[in-house]
Amino acid sequence: DAKTTQPNSMESNEEEPVHLPCNHSTISGTDYIHWYRQLPSQGPEYVIHGLTSNVNNRMASLAIAEDRKSSTLILHRATLRDAAVYYCILNSGGSNYKLTFGKGTLLTVNP
Amino acid sequence: NAGVTQTPKFRVLKTGQSMTLLCAQDMNHEYMYWYRQDPGMGLRLIHYSVGEGTTAKGEVPDGYNVSRLKKQNFLLGLESAAPSQTSVYFCASSYSWGRQPQHFGDGTRLSIL
Repeated sequence: DAKTTQPNSMESNEEEPVHLPCNHSTISGTDYIHWYRQLPSQGPEYVIHGLTSNVNNRMASLAIAEDRKSSTLILHRATLRDAAVYYCILNSGGSNYKLTFGKGTLLTVNP
Repeated sequence: NAGVTQTPKFRVLKTGQSMTLLCAQDMNHEYMYWYRQDPGMGLRLIHYSVGEGTTAKGEVPDGYNVSRLKKQNFLLGLESAAPSQTSVYFCASSYSWGRQPQHFGDGTRLSIL
């Protein structure tokens, strides 16, 4: 299975942009890049996903490298409510119904 | 919208007892999943279902059974609970696999004494 690598933790200040990196050097051509986040004592929450092109939604932006071996989740203006563990996950959509959650990146947002 | 609802939210069991965790979704999703999350770890897939009447094993299926008799419900059973099954259990559902995101419930915190 293709794996992802994320920093264990990152820190940001409120109202500043945050760039959360993810490396996935063994990504296959059919792998979608998904991002989820998990707030304390809650279930994971979908943030954004993409295949090849950069994506934007109301929560965040996803920048995908041209070779697709890395991606960056961008929170344009961090708030205290964005403090969470962020997971970068590859989903091939094939018959291997396995969504592998690593340890993710713990984002701390300072007021 | 309720989304994905899990019951119960908390439960304490004694070793050897049995119980069933219920997951209900109101989004008409075909795919449903059960995960467990241990302290400091990511989620691991226990069992999943690709449609009503179907179930399949995930990454860590031992000690668990599941049933999907109705499209909206996915049940996770522990026949003989063990302390190693102390964990937080999350249910999720999705419209399809791969492109579509999964929607998660708030979890069931289960302690086995």
